[in-house]
Formats: sequence, C-alpha cells, structure tokens
Amino acid sequence: GAVVSQHPSRVICKSGTSVKIECRSLDFQATTMFWYRQFPKQSLMLMATSNEGSKATYEQGVEKDKFLINHASLTLSTLTVTSAHPEDSSFYICSALYRTEAFFGQGTRLTVV
Amino acid sequence: GNSVTQMEGPVTLSEEAFLTINCTYTATGYPSLFWYVQYPGEGLQLLLKATKADDKGSNKGFEATYRKETTSFHLEKGSVQVSDSAVYFCAPRDAGKSTFGDGTTLTVKP
Repeated sequence: GAVVSQHPSRVICKSGTSVKIECRSLDFQATTMFWYRQFPKQSLMLMATSNEGSKATYEQGVEKDKFLINHASLTLSTLTVTSAHPEDSSFYICSALYRTEAFFGQGTRLTVV
Repeated sequence: GNSVTQMEGPVTLSEEAFLTINCTYTATGYPSLFWYVQYPGEGLQLLLKATKADDKGSNKGFEATYRKETTSFHLEKGSVQVSDSAVYFCAPRDAGKSTFGDGTTLTVKP
C-alpha cells in the first residue's frame, strides 16, 4: 500500500522558536495533503488542506500565520509552527490522498518547553 | 459539515468478550466510512472501511456495516484480545477530508 512518512516523529523545542514538520508520500504523488492536530486524549481536528502549487486552505480558527504550510512538490508538504508556545504542544498528523484513499503519516509529537 | 457521534469510553472488557462501539454520523453528502485504530504513542492505522450503503468492512476480526438508513457504522468484534487495547476512531470522509469521532478507548484484560 501507499506509504506516508512524517519527520520528525518527536521534537522538543524552546518557546519562541519555529519547528518544521515534513510529510512525504514515498511511493505516490499527492496533489492534496491534510494536516490534523490531536490534543492529549482528544480526537483529531483538521487544521488545513494543503494543495500542491497553491495556498493551503485553513479551517476556521486556525492561524495561518502561525501554522505555515508549504506544498512545493507532489510528494512533500511541510507544516511550520512559528514562534511556538507550550500551548502548541500536540500530536500533528498528516494524510495524503492517493486516488480515493487517504493515507496517514505516523505523526509528530511536538513538545514546546 | 459532517459530524460524528461515537460511543463514549473508556470500555473495559475481558479477553474473548464481544465488542460493539457505536458510531453515527451526519453528512451533507454521501461519505465513505472508516474506522481507525491508534495504539499508544503511535499514529493512525486504517482498520476497515466501507464506501457505499450496505457494504461491510472487515479486518482482523473487526466488522462494520454501512447503514445509510440509520447513518451508522458500528464496529463489532466477536472475541477481543488483549492486543486489541487501543483507541478507536470512527471517521466519515467526504472529498478527502476526514471528520473524526472523539475516539473510544478500549482496554482488554486477560
């Protein structure tokens, strides 16, 4: 099956710094990827839809200037958490569309200290 | 938009017990329906899916049937194992976007 790889799987950063998370489709091209966020013991919430070659579409309440999404190629989307704060600590998961299926990455656990 | 109501947990069962986790959804369109499983500290894994009415998805002994008339997609397993302990998410998908239920934590005791 199609494989989606996220990197890093875990990251700890200092408050005020920026962190970049990569989502790669390893064996297929994905024009559309999605970014989700999961708080501890809660469900996943869609943050944004990432479209190759165009601007991402953000869900209501998600700050586009804080969560920068770049989908520069058909196999890579990146999420940059800018000026991270402890409340941004969360589990971030991407998914990539291949035909009619969505394949999820393994997630990135971000801890801001 | 779509919404999902999933049976609240946590659910604790003994090994070999029967499992049902209820899931109902509301959707403006005709979504595909999915169950995902998340083991501690890990990402999501697709458990099973159904793409049209009356379809039954099945995998690893789990089953769920797409009930359009009741907008439900209940997850069942006849005999759970300790290794089934995880969080289960019901997730209808429309136009590629998934809407997730709150998740149901299942603990199976030996």
